[in-house]
Amino acid sequence: SQKIEQNSEALNIQEGKTATLTCNYTNYSPAYLQWYRQDPGRGPVFLLLIRENEKEKRKERLKVTFDTTLKQSLFHITASQPADSATYLCALGEFTWDTGRRALTFGSGTRLQVQP
Amino acid sequence: DGGITQSPKYLFRKEGQNVTLSCEQNLNHDAMYWYRQDPGQGLRLIYYSQIVNDFQKGDIAEGYSVSREKKESFPLTVTSAQKNPTAFYLCASSDRVSQPQHFGDGTRLSIL
Repeated sequence: SQKIEQNSEALNIQEGKTATLTCNYTNYSPAYLQWYRQDPGRGPVFLLLIRENEKEKRKERLKVTFDTTLKQSLFHITASQPADSATYLCALGEFTWDTGRRALTFGSGTRLQVQP
Repeated sequence: DGGITQSPKYLFRKEGQNVTLSCEQNLNHDAMYWYRQDPGQGLRLIYYSQIVNDFQKGDIAEGYSVSREKKESFPLTVTSAQKNPTAFYLCASSDRVSQPQHFGDGTRLSIL
């Protein structure tokens, strides 16, 4: 069966360190992958998109990698700050030929806590 | 400022009652979506619409209905057939289905 796995345990790190979050998937052939940030009681906010033919994407202190062989994406936040504390969701986008449907499938997210 | 507005923020449903959640966007996006989020779980797709007057079922459409009569509006009705409606409902939109999605701040639905 199809599955997207993000570490359900919270990740606790010290301010200034690099946070690395993992998104693993099975039985998907994603055309692209997106990362979102979600604060409690709020809707997710888009951060980065990476396509299947891209290895790495950067935006300010954020970096995403996408390894279609390992079926894994890593999301890095460098020089982390307490304000980075939130839940981070990965989402896979694929095109299913039988229905013509393009859809995002979300993982359950990993909560990041940055300690001052 | 452009964005997505969901209302109400909190909603209570009585047994056997249908309720409608509002979603309005002024981003001029063609695609709109409804998701359900349960505690500790990811977002699950209920319905989506790629263009006005057209919509498709997502993974958990049973007990829900939608309409897309205007580009900026995509209301979701939770019918009495949905036996476990208590959840956080999120509406989103995007320029096209493959593009990043912009989300509203959700409606929390509870059963009285």
